[in-house]
Amino acid sequence: AQSVTQLGSHVSVSEGALVLLRCNYSSSVPPYLFWYVQYPNQGLQLLLKYTSAATLVKGINGFEAEFKKSETSFHLTKPSAHMSDAAEYFCAVSGNNDMRFGAGTRLTVKP
Amino acid sequence: EAEVAQSPRYKITEKSQAVAFWCDPISGHATLYWYRQILGQGPELLVQFQDESVVDDSQLPKDRFSAERLKGVDSTLKIQPAELGDSAMYLCASSRLAGTYEQYFGPGTRLTVT
Repeated sequence: AQSVTQLGSHVSVSEGALVLLRCNYSSSVPPYLFWYVQYPNQGLQLLLKYTSAATLVKGINGFEAEFKKSETSFHLTKPSAHMSDAAEYFCAVSGNNDMRFGAGTRLTVKP
Repeated sequence: EAEVAQSPRYKITEKSQAVAFWCDPISGHATLYWYRQILGQGPELLVQFQDESVVDDSQLPKDRFSAERLKGVDSTLKIQPAELGDSAMYLCASSRLAGTYEQYFGPGTRLTVT
């Protein structure tokens, strides 16, 4: 069985500051990991995915994530936050024919 | 760029009424998913189709919910009768195949039951 835990339901950063959203996973098989972003009253948009090709994954909008097997983590980072990054972010794990989502982290960006 | 289409975007209904949501996946995607997302939570899988066959409906409340994908393309999710607790966002997603392939989501249907 797979599961993900997102640490921190709310994260607030200043514009231009580093964004760090935390995700830890549990999986009985080699995992495939994803980060999605959701804007209010919209569906989920794929930011990036880890499929075992490289541990550092670059995604859209300047986001990247690093897979660390020893820590069972897949944290999402962006060097400099922009106001348009304010949204809900979901980590997800897949590995046994289904995908499980975390509870989400709401990112607020202060001017 | 191909997208998953959903309609309606918003639906307000009274409890005990019937509601239906429609989803058209990305062309060529064999796997289709319906999720329910309660405000402040992540999506939870209701039903998964592989072509026209249901492969997972273990979390679908079958006494009131039904889903079909008759020709293996578009799909309909129905609730009858609706209850207050059904108020949520209903998301449809598709992927080329099941398993480790990324899923692409539609804009969702926001259901409010009064």
